[in-house]
Amino acid sequence: SQQGEEDPQALSIQEGENATMNCSYKTSINNLQWYRQNSGRGLVHLILIRSNEREKHSGRLRVTLDTSKKSSSLLITASRAADTASYFCATVGGAQKLVFGQGTRLTINP
Amino acid sequence: EPEVTQTPSHQVTQMGQEVILRCVPISNHLYFYWYRQILGQKVEFLVSFYNNEISEKSEIFDDQFSVERPDGSNFTLKIRSTKLEDSAMYFCASNIQGATGANVLTFGAGSRLTVL
Repeated sequence: SQQGEEDPQALSIQEGENATMNCSYKTSINNLQWYRQNSGRGLVHLILIRSNEREKHSGRLRVTLDTSKKSSSLLITASRAADTASYFCATVGGAQKLVFGQGTRLTINP
Repeated sequence: EPEVTQTPSHQVTQMGQEVILRCVPISNHLYFYWYRQILGQKVEFLVSFYNNEISEKSEIFDDQFSVERPDGSNFTLKIRSTKLEDSAMYFCASNIQGATGANVLTFGAGSRLTVL
């Protein structure tokens, strides 16, 4: 089954550094999305990359997709304390649903 | 900005009791979803709903669960006889085109269910 699996499970960096999170999945996809979740809150969509795209940018976010390796990465540049959250990748295949990974807990230390 | 609203934000119930979680999706959205997240674990798909019927459901969504769109605005998740393992955060989401479309899911803030 499709399943996004992120690594690392937890990442702690200093403010201003770049944060990179990876996601792997198992089956073919239509698109892959990244979501953010602040502690105890809902998920907020960050960025979507289609299966025929290799890279996408949105502000300080950069997402790559390698369909041959079934993997994606999310890079947050110049991190801020407010970026502290959990980040999830989610895959969309033929069914009308998102399949989420385990998530990466990102902590930005001031 | 339009948002998905969920009530209650937190509900505590006794094992075996019925629980109804309510959601008001974004008004022009056509696809509705329930997901759940057990504390510290990943977000799991429960059910999707379109055109007044379930379009897909997971193995978690057994006979104890049901969904309903009783009027033009509300979308509810009912758990008939709650178990301890139903304790989780339940998220409602909606979408205008379905998950494979260009649009993405908009999630509510969640309803935390605690079963004692």
